[in-house]
Amino acid sequence: DAKTTQPTSMDCAEGRAANLPCNHSTISGNEYVYWYRQIHSQGPQYIIHGLKNNETNEMASLIITEDRKSSTLILPHATLRDTAVYYCIVRVSAYGGSQGNLIFGKGTKLSVKP
Amino acid sequence: DAGVIQSPRHEVTEMGQEVTLRCKPISGHDYLFWYRQTMMRGLELLIYFNNNVPIDDSGMPEDRFSAKMPNASFSTLKIQPSEPRDSAVYFCASSQRGRGYGYTFGSGTRLTVV
Repeated sequence: DAKTTQPTSMDCAEGRAANLPCNHSTISGNEYVYWYRQIHSQGPQYIIHGLKNNETNEMASLIITEDRKSSTLILPHATLRDTAVYYCIVRVSAYGGSQGNLIFGKGTKLSVKP
Repeated sequence: DAGVIQSPRHEVTEMGQEVTLRCKPISGHDYLFWYRQTMMRGLELLIYFNNNVPIDDSGMPEDRFSAKMPNASFSTLKIQPSEPRDSAVYFCASSQRGRGYGYTFGSGTRLTVV
């Protein structure tokens, strides 16, 4: 699986958009970009994933550059409850199976401040 | 859906004792994963099962660690004998092939070996 690079930490004001970047310059054509987050003392939580196109769900938006070498997770209106470590992961399959296990890096610690 | 259920939530044991961690995956999920999380090493994949069969245990740190999945609704991770360096949070996750939503994690078991 391709390696990802994320900033160690970021701050965001409550109510503002949080934009979390991720570099994955060695991503292969069949690798998806996944985002998870881990709130303190909880298990990781799935947020969103994508291959080429931008994706949006009730939690966030995922913007993938045309060359797929980087992406940005956007939390449109961050709240204090969004304070967590956010992991960007690339893996082979979009399926929740063994083709490309989830391998976690160090992630970005997002602190949402009042 | 109650999600992935792990027990116990906290376990404190003495060095040399046997420890058994338990996991109930989401009904219908055919993959089960065990992860370990420490400050130093982050989230590490220990082992995963498909349809109750262990597929890859290359992440299991030592022979002291063993995992079983006797049926689709139950898995155990056993450490015998336990050592202080085994202190960590152990997460269980499950997924269903064909659904592109990745893994659902349990709340974890915090193990302290004294």
